[in-house]
Amino acid sequence: DAGVIQSPRHEVTEMGQEVTLRCKPISGHDYLFWYRQTMMRGLELLIYFNNNVPIDDSGMPEDRFSAKMPNASFSTLKIQPSEPRDSAVYFCASSPYGGGGTEAFFGQGTRLTVV
Amino acid sequence: DAKTTQPTSMDCAEGRAANLPCNHSTISGNEYVYWYRQIHSQGPQYIIHGLKNNETNEMASLIITEDRKSSTLILPHATLRDTAVYYCIAYNFNKFYFGSGTKLNVKP
Repeated sequence: DAGVIQSPRHEVTEMGQEVTLRCKPISGHDYLFWYRQTMMRGLELLIYFNNNVPIDDSGMPEDRFSAKMPNASFSTLKIQPSEPRDSAVYFCASSPYGGGGTEAFFGQGTRLTVV
Repeated sequence: DAKTTQPTSMDCAEGRAANLPCNHSTISGNEYVYWYRQIHSQGPQYIIHGLKNNETNEMASLIITEDRKSSTLILPHATLRDTAVYYCIAYNFNKFYFGSGTKLNVKP
């Protein structure tokens, strides 16, 4: 398996523009997570899905952020409108099942710069 | 979710064992202890996890105290490629919460 695949790897956009980040989880994994990493706040969990259903979005910073998982092999994180403070590395991760006995596999991240 | 406390940074000589401590004094009985590491700006990489017993795999060993209030990750023979930020996580209810981690510097 190629692992968790994120695209694009780098994104530079102007303030006010819409940004869409994409993630393909590992086939067969039931859980998908979106994280954001900044120097100031470290790695933050934004939202996670179980079987394509959003379970906990309490980490989503505000209404400008939205995430969808239309099927088991694809998820998007959208920011509209984007702001400079959204600049960060966004990671997607997937795990085969929940509970405490499994690991999460992370993608290589998307580095977002909003100017 | 239980909070974990780790030293900000540690140094280790190449070839020696690296022992990374973690305190998780408020961990509950069903929370696992997980360790991940992040090399430079790559995605976090799973290392090992455990609940009560000590665990060992090809990468590392995990020693959990009997009261489960602390644990130690052991890299038996550290190499320069082990230089990374190491995160200790008390995991439950499907959420991995990453703290600040320990920056391990492996020196020649």
